[in-house]
Amino acid sequence: DFQLTQSPSILSASVGDRVTITCRASQNMGNWMAWYQKKPGKAPKLLINKASDLQSGVPSRFSGSRSGTDFTLTITSLQPDDFATYYCQQFDSYSRGFAFGQGTNLEIK
Amino acid sequence: EVQVVESGGGLVKPGGSLRLSCEVSGFTSSYSMNWVRQAPGKGLEWVSSISSSSSHIYYADSVKGRFTISRDNAKNSLYLQMNSLRAEDTAVYYCARVIDDSSDVWGKGTTVTVSS
Repeated sequence: DFQLTQSPSILSASVGDRVTITCRASQNMGNWMAWYQKKPGKAPKLLINKASDLQSGVPSRFSGSRSGTDFTLTITSLQPDDFATYYCQQFDSYSRGFAFGQGTNLEIK
Repeated sequence: EVQVVESGGGLVKPGGSLRLSCEVSGFTSSYSMNWVRQAPGKGLEWVSSISSSSSHIYYADSVKGRFTISRDNAKNSLYLQMNSLRAEDTAVYYCARVIDDSSDVWGKGTTVTVSS
């Protein structure tokens, strides 16, 4: 079965820090990786798709990259509004389903 | 304004049924749509997808055979018929538009609680 392994599950950081979240795909599904921000009681927000395409209105401190089957979400200069849970997601072209990573809880140190 | 609004959640007993609705506005029916859920304290889980013409439908293994996705493009609406509900189906259910193998427009969700 296709799986996305996201790490770390918890990340403690301070305002102004640079943080990196990684998502490893169990198989090569191409460049179609998406990253979401989720806050309690709110809908998920699409930040990046196609591995590195920043969505309109998303601050430029968010960026995405790919190396093989490893994908990275980087947030530079953390702001108070950035503390949330982040999920990676990829489309499994074999099962035709959408797989999510387990999530990374970015918390204030 | 581009938006989706879910409705139909509620409290249901194990083994019961519920039908969720999602009303879309501000965009055409040419998009595939997803249902995604989040159980209390858990992560996001994809539930089902439907293409624009309803010709392609897919389900997560956890709901296959129990849930049915459908859409009525004339009514700008998406549905999720949930039968044989289990406690583990308790979650907030989100409707979302699919673009480039991701979901860019999400509703606020509707809560389903399965409990006796």
